[in-house]
Amino acid sequence: SQELEQSPQSLIVQEGKNLTINCTSSKTLYGLYWYKQKYGEGLIFLMMLQKGGEEKSHEKITAKLDEKKQQSSLHITASQPSHAGIYLCGADSNAGNMLTFGGGTRLMVKP
Amino acid sequence: GAGVSQSPSNKVTEKGKDVELRCDPISGHTALYWYRQSLGQGLEFLIYFQGNSAPDKSGLPSDRFSAERTGGSVSTLTIQRTQQEDSAVYLCASSPRRRETEAFFGQGTRLTVV
Repeated sequence: SQELEQSPQSLIVQEGKNLTINCTSSKTLYGLYWYKQKYGEGLIFLMMLQKGGEEKSHEKITAKLDEKKQQSSLHITASQPSHAGIYLCGADSNAGNMLTFGGGTRLMVKP
Repeated sequence: GAGVSQSPSNKVTEKGKDVELRCDPISGHTALYWYRQSLGQGLEFLIYFQGNSAPDKSGLPSDRFSAERTGGSVSTLTIQRTQQEDSAVYLCASSPRRRETEAFFGQGTRLTVV
C-alpha cells in the first residue's frame, strides 16, 4: 500500500518567517492533495497537484510536485498566525479507491 | 449549505452501546469516503462508496463497523457495541469522481465512548 511521510511532524516559527513542509510517497503519486485542518475544525482543501513539476500557489502558500512524482513540498512565505494548524497531504492511489494521508504537520506561528 | 454535512457534530455514548453517524454528501457527488482521526493519529481510511458499485470496506477495523449508502446519497456509519478505542473524530468526504478532483470533507463527528 502507498505510504505518505510528512516532515517535520511539528513546526514552530516566528511570524513573518518562511517555512517548508514535505510529503514523501513510497510510490508514484497520481494525485497529491494538500489540506489544512484548523484546530477544532474540519479539513480545508488547499490545492491539488497531478503533473510532475507542477507548482500551484494560493495566496502565500505554494505547493510543488517533483518531477518524479514522489515528493511534494508546501511552502509558506511570510507566515502569519492564521497559518497555524495541521497540514495534511493526501494521495490518490492508482491501485485503490481511497485517499491515503500523511501523518500531518502541526504548525504554530508565534506572533 | 452546499458542503458535506455530518451529524451529530458531537456524540458521547456509553461503552457497549451502538451509534449511528450520518453523512450528507454534496449533491451529485458519486464518491463518498469515511475516515477516522484518533487523538494524535493521522487520518485512517474506513470505507469508500462509488456510485452503485460494491463499497470498498478494506479499512473497517472490525466487524462492529458497518456503513450504508442509500440511494447513492446519504451514508450512515454504524458502530456496534462501542469500545473506548472507538473514540475519535469520524470524517466523511465526497467527490464528483474517484480521481482528478479533490474530496470535500465534512466537519466531522467527534465520538467519545465513556
